[in-house]
Amino acid sequence: QIQLVQSGPELKKPGESLKISCKASGYTFTDYAMQWVKQAPGKGLQYMGWINTQTGKPTYADDFKERFVFSLETSASTAYLQINNLKNEDTATYFCARWDIFFDYWGQGVMVTVSS
Amino acid sequence: DTVLTQSPALAVSPGERVTISCRASESVSTLMHWYQQKPGQQPKLLIYLASHLESGVPARFSGSGSGTDFTLTIDPVEADDTATYYCQQSWNDPWTFGGGTKLELK
Repeated sequence: QIQLVQSGPELKKPGESLKISCKASGYTFTDYAMQWVKQAPGKGLQYMGWINTQTGKPTYADDFKERFVFSLETSASTAYLQINNLKNEDTATYFCARWDIFFDYWGQGVMVTVSS
Repeated sequence: DTVLTQSPALAVSPGERVTISCRASESVSTLMHWYQQKPGQQPKLLIYLASHLESGVPARFSGSGSGTDFTLTIDPVEADDTATYYCQQSWNDPWTFGGGTKLELK
């Protein structure tokens, strides 16, 4: 069955960096783009952007053009989200989601807490 | 960016019919999709391309609309349907989500 399994929760200090993973299984990884979605505590879903799993080219939504990096390890069917120079407002749950004109499969989410 | 507007909350009794609306600030054709999110869980696709029921989703859920006005209907509502429902468009880049409608059961 199709699964997206994300890495575990993170507790970081402002200014630090982190890299979270999203491992896909049950389908051909390069057949579908991977998208990223942020959900701040008690808030709605915010689209962050996507990465082309065939070319590795990332595309970022306007709010995520600085400090955020999407990458791949295609041989491991894994997508990564790196956040640099963490800020308090990065505290959120981050979801990866497979893209097929809509988000058809989602990872379980990674809760990131940024606190001094 | 395309803004999607949803009512923030609804309360209904089990067995009733509920409609959740989503209005887009510009046309999105039929590229509107609906997700259900329960507390502590990831969103789950319910309806894609405005009216297509995702495999495995109960037939109590249905979607309609095109252009700027869309509706998710649950009929009849069951206790397990307590959740937040989001619409999302994929016609205009960047993709956007509605603010979510929290459905509570009386």
